Amino acid sequence: GQQLNQSPQSMFIQEGEDVSMNCTSSSIFNTWLWYKQDPGEGPVLLIALYKAGELTSNGRLTAQFGITRKDSFLNISASIPSDVGIYFCAGLNYGGSQGNLIFGKGTKLSVKP
Amino acid sequence: KAGVTQTPRYLIKTRGQQVTLSCSPISGHRSVSWYQQTPGQGLQFLFEYFSETQRNKGNFPGRFSGRQFSNSRSEMNVSTLELGDSALYLCASSYRGQGNTGELFFGEGSRLTVL
Repeated sequence: GQQLNQSPQSMFIQEGEDVSMNCTSSSIFNTWLWYKQDPGEGPVLLIALYKAGELTSNGRLTAQFGITRKDSFLNISASIPSDVGIYFCAGLNYGGSQGNLIFGKGTKLSVKP
Repeated sequence: KAGVTQTPRYLIKTRGQQVTLSCSPISGHRSVSWYQQTPGQGLQFLFEYFSETQRNKGNFPGRFSGRQFSNSRSEMNVSTLELGDSALYLCASSYRGQGNTGELFFGEGSRLTVL
């Protein structure tokens, strides 16, 4: 079946540093999404990307939909302690009601103050 | 607007028992999807219900089942619990469905421990 390879699995960074993570697949996706899960909470949608090459920002977060439609990237600038959590990428193969949303295994981010 | 509500938040069961988890979606959302989250496997799709009908199903054994009521509230049931069923079970609601836009609103989850 389809799989998403998300990397890195975990990151330990200093407050103020920039963060980059990515997601790749052997399959093409119509939509890429990035979610964040805070400890003890459910995931929350950060950014959704709908077109190949699209670059979208949400505050200090910037995500890109890869040109090949097989990858996506998320960057966080000037990290702060509340950025701690697990970041999940998700790819969607649009199929109307039967579309298939696949999640990566997550990147766990730790930020040292 | 109230968010997605899952109950119970925590529960402990023993092998062989069965468990029922409940999810109340955001008002107006017709789709409820269920996911199993474990440290090693990430978010695994269980099934989706839309207007009381199962619309999509993941690769889980028949011990995992669900249903949706006319008010869009959903329940999932796991019978004959196994140790490997210990996980965080997340419910997510959306207006058009997980396979339509991928934009989901998750609850806080029900953490199941099987002893």
